[in-house]
Amino acid sequence: KAGVTQTPRYLIKTRGQQVTLSCSPISGHRSVSWYQQTPGQGLQFLFEYFSETQRNKGNFPGRFSGRQFSNSRSEMNVSTLELGDSALYLCASSPGQATNEKLFFGSGTQLSVL
Amino acid sequence: AQSVTQPDIHITVSEGASLELRCNYSYGATPYLFWYVQSPGQGLQLLLKYFSGDTLVQGIKGFEAEFKRSQSSFNLRKPSVHWSDAAEYFCAVGGGSTLGRLYFGRGTQLTVWP
Repeated sequence: KAGVTQTPRYLIKTRGQQVTLSCSPISGHRSVSWYQQTPGQGLQFLFEYFSETQRNKGNFPGRFSGRQFSNSRSEMNVSTLELGDSALYLCASSPGQATNEKLFFGSGTQLSVL
Repeated sequence: AQSVTQPDIHITVSEGASLELRCNYSYGATPYLFWYVQSPGQGLQLLLKYFSGDTLVQGIKGFEAEFKRSQSSFNLRKPSVHWSDAAEYFCAVGGGSTLGRLYFGRGTQLTVWP
């Protein structure tokens, strides 16, 4: 099976712009979650989608949003970018049926905001 | 509140030496515990997980971890470290109602001297 695929791998944006990141989960997985990783804050949970519905949400401002499509692919959008949004954004997938499932992570999208 | 503490930010060991990375957690429900490893610029790879049963779990690459409920700990060990083990290691906890969400520690950076 192919792993979790995130595109693009790198992004450079300027303050005030918006950005969309994409994540294709492992085939058959219905849960997709997103994490932001920075040197200062570590790994922070953004949100999780299951069957096109947001099931869990972290403590991020409304500028961060996401969605999931019927094929389980997910997108994350950040509007009005700030310098502090520079981070590695990781997507993870799992079957989504039980709380003891392990997450499979993609390689991430490295976002730099100038 | 759910949290994970990895007390050691950076550990340096010589190749062939034994390794122990510490992890303490705080979780309101029955915890499911994980150790992930991350190489620079990459996503997270699962080393091992604990759900229930035997408190000593074996993982990939010769790693093992021991769950101690009384100490709220889940320490990662390896008897003989290889240079390729140099990476960042993350302990994580999940379970209960937090489907698709893991709480991560801040990570321990491992340096291996030849």
